[in-house]
Amino acid sequence: EAQVTQNPRYLITVTGKKLTVTCSQNMNHEYMSWYRQDPGLGLRQIYYSMNVEVTDKGDVPEGYKVSRKEKRNFPLILESPSPNQTSLYFCASSLIEGATDTQYFGPGTRLTVL
Amino acid sequence: KQEVTQIPAALSVPEGENLVLNCSFTDSAIYNLQWFRQDPGKGLTSLLLIQSSQREQTSGRLNASLDKSSGRSTLYIAASQPGDSATYLCAVRGSNYKLTFGKGTLLTVNP
Repeated sequence: EAQVTQNPRYLITVTGKKLTVTCSQNMNHEYMSWYRQDPGLGLRQIYYSMNVEVTDKGDVPEGYKVSRKEKRNFPLILESPSPNQTSLYFCASSLIEGATDTQYFGPGTRLTVL
Repeated sequence: KQEVTQIPAALSVPEGENLVLNCSFTDSAIYNLQWFRQDPGKGLTSLLLIQSSQREQTSGRLNASLDKSSGRSTLYIAASQPGDSATYLCAVRGSNYKLTFGKGTLLTVNP
């Protein structure tokens, strides 16, 4: 089954404790991205990656890091989380090839930073 | 910087009504435009994708149009059903492949 998986689905942590949210896709997609969704602000892109070892900043990259060492994985790293990073996070992937550029989204990770 | 606006922010209609959701964007140099559906607490599901060279796409009771020159898209839902209740999001992929979302329209279809 074609899917994007994220782990963990729910996480409560404390300020300053480094964490990683994993994202994996099984569709051999080149493009992967991370978004955060906040009430009243909608979905905002954090980082995206066009292929292995190629990453670019989105609209709200501050406080986040990513890496793309393998095509299927795109982890999101919060080196020193702060309460303003409490949010619902989504990972997504796509091929970016004309009509097949359908975005597949993961189920989301709800992060609370105390 | 691309900005995407969706109007209305919320819409409540009786079952069976036809309805239109609107999306506008500021930079017409786009690769494609996509409409998504999001159920509460869930991820996004792709509904329709329109390439920049296309004018419309249809899937079942859904029809999406694109007028790139005016920076507008509409999502038409025919014969709405309670199961259509969700938030509908419009997203534009720019020429740099970056995807920018609108804030969505919360649709409620009342039985």
